[in-house]
Amino acid sequence: GAVVSQHPSRVICKSGTSVKIECRSLDFQATTMFWYRQFPKKSLMLMATSNEGSKATYEQGVEKDKFLINHASLTLSTLTVTSAHPEDSSFYICSARDQGGGELFFGEGSRLTVL
Amino acid sequence: LAKTTQPISMDSYEGQEVNITCSHNNIATNDYITWYQQFPSQGPRFIIQGYKTKVTNEVASLFIPADRKSSTLSLPRVSLSDTAVYYCLVGRNQGGKLIFGQGTELSVKP
Repeated sequence: GAVVSQHPSRVICKSGTSVKIECRSLDFQATTMFWYRQFPKKSLMLMATSNEGSKATYEQGVEKDKFLINHASLTLSTLTVTSAHPEDSSFYICSARDQGGGELFFGEGSRLTVL
Repeated sequence: LAKTTQPISMDSYEGQEVNITCSHNNIATNDYITWYQQFPSQGPRFIIQGYKTKVTNEVASLFIPADRKSSTLSLPRVSLSDTAVYYCLVGRNQGGKLIFGQGTELSVKP
């Protein structure tokens, strides 16, 4: 089946720094990708919809200046957590559908720890 | 987007059949029902998707009544490795975003 890959899988950074997480669709083209975050023992929370070639659509309550999303090609979306703080520590997961619709494929997730 | 309601947790034993029911009373005409499995520190994995009646694949069956206001994921003969969180999602296939509910934490015991 189709594969969505995230990198890095784990990252530790100091408070105040910025961290970029990449999400790639390996064998299909995705005009739309989704970014979720998940806290321990909680469900996934949709942060934003990443649209290739245009601005991302953020869910209510998600700071667009804090979580920068870029979807520059049909196989790559990036999430940059700017000026990270300990409360940004979480598990970030991306997902994508191929252009024909159907099943939503998820990446392996990226665990961010901000010290 | 249709809201989903599932039991928070379920316990089972190896070899048993497990049925997890999800309520989605305000499902829309164009919405599909999709179930995902998630292990700790991993992304969700697709299990099965359906629109109406019954769908079966190599790992599960999905039962959807005529009114589509609920659905039941059936896992035959579960094993310890089926211990995970199971999510029921409702949404459009073509470009639609999927909102996760609370999920059901299934614990399979020996």
